[in-house]
Amino acid sequence: KNQVEQSPQSLIILEGKNCTLQCNYTVSPFSNLRWYKQDTGRGPVSLTIMTFSENTKSNGRYTATLDADTKQSSLHITASQLSDSASYICVVSAQKNNDMRFGAGTRLTVKP
Amino acid sequence: KAGVTQTPRYLIKTRGQQVTLSCSPISGHRSVSWYQQTPGQGLQFLFEYFSETQRNKGNFPGRFSGRQFSNSRSEMNVSTLELGDSALYLCASTTGGTSGYTFGSGTRLTVV
Repeated sequence: KNQVEQSPQSLIILEGKNCTLQCNYTVSPFSNLRWYKQDTGRGPVSLTIMTFSENTKSNGRYTATLDADTKQSSLHITASQLSDSASYICVVSAQKNNDMRFGAGTRLTVKP
Repeated sequence: KAGVTQTPRYLIKTRGQQVTLSCSPISGHRSVSWYQQTPGQGLQFLFEYFSETQRNKGNFPGRFSGRQFSNSRSEMNVSTLELGDSALYLCASTTGGTSGYTFGSGTRLTVV
């Protein structure tokens, strides 16, 4: 069983709308959690990185939250744009060897 | 500064052949990791190198190997290619610790 589960698997929204992507993990002991955006055929690009003590971090229209107690994170996208269409991948690192576990990603499509 | 550079971008090989992929990390980054990404399996960790030493290894067969040179550039090699090796191979570099990983654009390998 994957130690990082993302939902939904795919999402279609209209331009200008907000959306929230979810990431639940069981990785332990926890070191940090990253959200990446990956355009088709390109490498992932880091959006945010959060450690145990951080529960909110923003990067422009992207806001990530972390609840280390429930082992849940969310990525909220505000006022979506067509260029937000991509896969969003949650990556959780364990303290041991900074071992990274990847979620399967959420495929977001923003339509005009 | 230049990002992570992977060459070639696209590659077509025949079953049974071997292939070598190259990755030049961001200047100053001594850690280089390799990943395989397929639609069905998502991102999977292959191995990580730091200062020319393999520090971590994922769960892949011995046909997958890598190395890192003194200038931190890295190569990965896949021998006796199988159809299932068709994937996007991503390289990422970091300074280490909890610093974020910067990914290259990947090499798209197709095995026919």
